[in-house]
Amino acid sequence: RKEVEQDPGPFNVPEGATVAFNCTYSNSASQSFFWYRQDCRKEPKLLMSVYSSGNEDGRFTAQLNRASQYISLLIRDSKLSDSATYLCVVIPIYNFNKFYFGSGTKLNVKP
Amino acid sequence: NAGVTQTPKFQVLKTGQSMTLQCAQDMNHNSMYWYRQDPGMGLRLIYYSASEGTTDKGEVPNGYNVSRLNKREFSLRLESAAPSQTSVYFCASSKGLAGGNEQFFGPGTRLTVL
Repeated sequence: RKEVEQDPGPFNVPEGATVAFNCTYSNSASQSFFWYRQDCRKEPKLLMSVYSSGNEDGRFTAQLNRASQYISLLIRDSKLSDSATYLCVVIPIYNFNKFYFGSGTKLNVKP
Repeated sequence: NAGVTQTPKFQVLKTGQSMTLQCAQDMNHNSMYWYRQDPGMGLRLIYYSASEGTTDKGEVPNGYNVSRLNKREFSLRLESAAPSQTSVYFCASSKGLAGGNEQFFGPGTRLTVL
């Protein structure tokens, strides 16, 4: 079983829509969680960390559900520039250098 | 401040050839990483170096070797390339502190093995 699983999409949404992605992880001893964004043929870049209490950064909201072992990313008022692949990342408590990446969810925002 | 740099950007090898991918960071980070990214597989950790002078295996180390030359540089070597090693290779670095820290990625090397 993969450490981290994501729906690959693509999610095709119109501008202004709200879209949500989920990501499930298999290791209950996971301690840190992130969402990264990757544009086509570019390197991944940190979008936001995910905190236990949930956190928001502008139009983006990330949440963690430890009981069900998933993290989510909500994007409100989607922009064309949000089109990218979103990668969730889980770090186990036993080794903070081992980042486990999901395979990514592709988002296409259309005019 | 260049961040993380990688060379080369593109490379085509024949089966059995060897090559070294170079990576350097100028952020004074302790930890450095090599990943490969294949379609539908996400990024998989090949090797990492938690600090200068140490290296450890990741998920998919077979067929690769690494050298942490100094704090700035971390190279990845393919001794005898195979078509299964066709991939995009990313180097990354982080402060490496407990609790998990942001990883900064280089632009990637696109490698094709014929």
